[in-house]
Amino acid sequence: GAVVSQHPSWVICKSGTSVKIECRSLDFQATTMFWYRQFPKQSLMLMATSNEGSKATYEQGVEKDKFLINHASLTLSTLTVTSAHPEDSSFYICSARDRTGGRQPQHFGDGTRLSIL
Amino acid sequence: QQPVQSPQAVILREGEDAVINCSSSKALYSVHWYRQKHGEAPVFLMILLKGGEQKGHEKISASFNEKKQQSSLYLTASQLSYSGTYFCGTESTYNQGGKLIFGQGTELSVKP
Repeated sequence: GAVVSQHPSWVICKSGTSVKIECRSLDFQATTMFWYRQFPKQSLMLMATSNEGSKATYEQGVEKDKFLINHASLTLSTLTVTSAHPEDSSFYICSARDRTGGRQPQHFGDGTRLSIL
Repeated sequence: QQPVQSPQAVILREGEDAVINCSSSKALYSVHWYRQKHGEAPVFLMILLKGGEQKGHEKISASFNEKKQQSSLYLTASQLSYSGTYFCGTESTYNQGGKLIFGQGTELSVKP
């Protein structure tokens, strides 16, 4: 089945640090990848849609300069949280769709638990 | 706009049935169902497309009522492993690159 790998699984760092999270599709090519944030006992909130070779599309209210997204290849997208602060602490999850398109599901990575001290 | 799921939570005894609903105010192209266990990533269950589809996988099935813009997930003869939070994700227009908006989730607990 379709496998999406996300790294790292968890990060603890000091306020002001920038953190980079990688999302890889291991056995399929993903034209589009998605980044979500999830707070405890809440839903998955879409942050941005990442398209290979072009700029990401951010959802309303998401700061582009704070959450930098790069989708350099059909198998890799990265999310960088710049100058992270305690309020950025959350569970960040990526997902990817097979480039064959059509009625394909999103396959999720295992998520990254980010704690900013 | 976020779809609305109901109920918010449900507790079942093993072997009982449950229905989870997902309603949208927008015209939908597809509805996706996922289950998430605590601390883990969501796991894909099934996709339903407009046209009134109904799908099933073992004892979990779902339907999509295009007129009502509503999907329902049916869990029959529930097992302990069904416990988790169920999310519906809705796609309102084709060619939006598969962007999904998720409901607030339904927490399902199956007790022995």
